[in-house]
Amino acid sequence: GAGVSQTPSNKVTEKGKYVELRCDPISGHTALYWYRQSLGQGPEFLIYFQGTGAADDSGLPNDRFFAVRPEGSVSTLKIQRTERGDSAVYLCASSQTKNTEAFFGQGTRLTVV
Amino acid sequence: AQSVTQPDIHITVSEGASLELRCNYSYGATPYLFWYVQSPGQGLQLLLKYFSGDTLVQGIKGFEAEFKRSQSSFNLRKPSVHWSDAAEYFCAVGPARTVNNDMRFGAGTRLTVKP
Repeated sequence: GAGVSQTPSNKVTEKGKYVELRCDPISGHTALYWYRQSLGQGPEFLIYFQGTGAADDSGLPNDRFFAVRPEGSVSTLKIQRTERGDSAVYLCASSQTKNTEAFFGQGTRLTVV
Repeated sequence: AQSVTQPDIHITVSEGASLELRCNYSYGATPYLFWYVQSPGQGLQLLLKYFSGDTLVQGIKGFEAEFKRSQSSFNLRKPSVHWSDAAEYFCAVGPARTVNNDMRFGAGTRLTVKP
């Protein structure tokens, strides 16, 4: 595709619910990253995929957060039992390989009420 | 562990004035360094990057940055700021060649441009 696409652009959910956020990376990009950006903060690393495998998931805050990339393209970030503190913009980025320029999507704004 | 510090939370400059945004990093290996810009309601856009070679890097929109290993810095500069440069600027350090981790961002510097 032309760029990194994230859906939905906005998501409002009730506390305790389960949500899935989707990322479509640029075609052919093997590396995919998820970040979380709270208001007034820089992006906070969550997880990095190289192909289908999670090469580094050290940024996931707890076991309520999980991400998959089963075919090495589209990725889904899953959050269980959402809490109000999970409210943030979730950013996805992809790059051709690990050490090349990363292109960011517009993000999904998650609001937990 | 790698980290990035942007000491200035908010900077205000007059249009036409020069700009320097500071970035210091802590890293155990030769880093890859990036500057991104984020305008209100927009995604992150790469301004420039340093991987190796010439320590003075030219980017888009008239920005440049200089990698100084001795000072662990990668400051962003622009000789003459335009009103459209008002945005949030993020410095980031990328994965080392031998370590399988990922970019870490600073907290950002918000730039306001006065007419």
